[in-house]
Amino acid sequence: AQSVTQLGSHVSVSEGALVLLRCNYSSSVPPYLFWYVQYPNQGLQLLLKYTTGATLVKGINGFEAEFKKSETSFHLTKPSAHMSDAAEYFCAVSENDYKLSFGAGTTVTVRA
Amino acid sequence: KAGVTQTPRYLIKTRGQQVTLSCSPISGHRSVSWYQQTPGQGLQFLFEYFSETQRNKGNFPGRFSGRQFSNSRSEMNVSTLELGDSALYLCASSLRTGNDEQYFGPGTRLTVT
Repeated sequence: AQSVTQLGSHVSVSEGALVLLRCNYSSSVPPYLFWYVQYPNQGLQLLLKYTTGATLVKGINGFEAEFKKSETSFHLTKPSAHMSDAAEYFCAVSENDYKLSFGAGTTVTVRA
Repeated sequence: KAGVTQTPRYLIKTRGQQVTLSCSPISGHRSVSWYQQTPGQGLQFLFEYFSETQRNKGNFPGRFSGRQFSNSRSEMNVSTLELGDSALYLCASSLRTGNDEQYFGPGTRLTVT
C-alpha cells in the first residue's frame, strides 16, 4: 500500500525566495508521483507529475520536482516565490490502482 | 475544453437525510473518481468508475455509494447523513489508465446540521 508524508504543514517564505516543499513516499511498486495545488474554495490543480524517465520534472508556474528513488522523495521547488503562490500544496502517489493517495498538505504563505 | 463540473457547489442537509452529488467529466475522459476532503482526515479516496464499473473503492461505510452513466457522468450518494459527513467532495476525471493524471472539479461543499 502506498503512503505519502509531507514534512511541514506550514511554510512561510519571502517574495522572491526559494520555495521548497518536501514529500516522501512509500510504495510497493514503481510509483507515479504528482503535485497538486489548491487555492481557497477551489478544487485541485495539477502542477506536475512523474511517471518514468527523467527524474527532474518541470511543471506549470515555474515549479519543478525531482524524483529520488534512493531517498523515496519527490520534493517540489520554485526558485522565486510570488504572492500568487500562496496556496495549499499536496503531494500524491498512484500505484496503477485507479486512485491517488495524498499527503496531508503544506500551506504556503508568501510575505511581501 | 471545458473542465470537470460539479453540481451543486454548496449544499446544506440535516442529519439523517440523504444527498446526491453530480459530476460531469472532461469530454473524452472515461474515468471518474471521488474524494472527500476534511480538515481532520485530509483527502481520502471514495471510489473510481470506468465504463459504468467500479474499479476501486476506499474505506468508507456502505452509506456512501456511487454510479456512472453511459455518458461518463457520475453521481455519488450519501444516505443517513451524519455530522461527520460535512466535507468538500471532489470529483476528478482522467482518461483511462490507473496512473493517468486526474483533473479535479471545484467540489461540492456539503454541510450537515
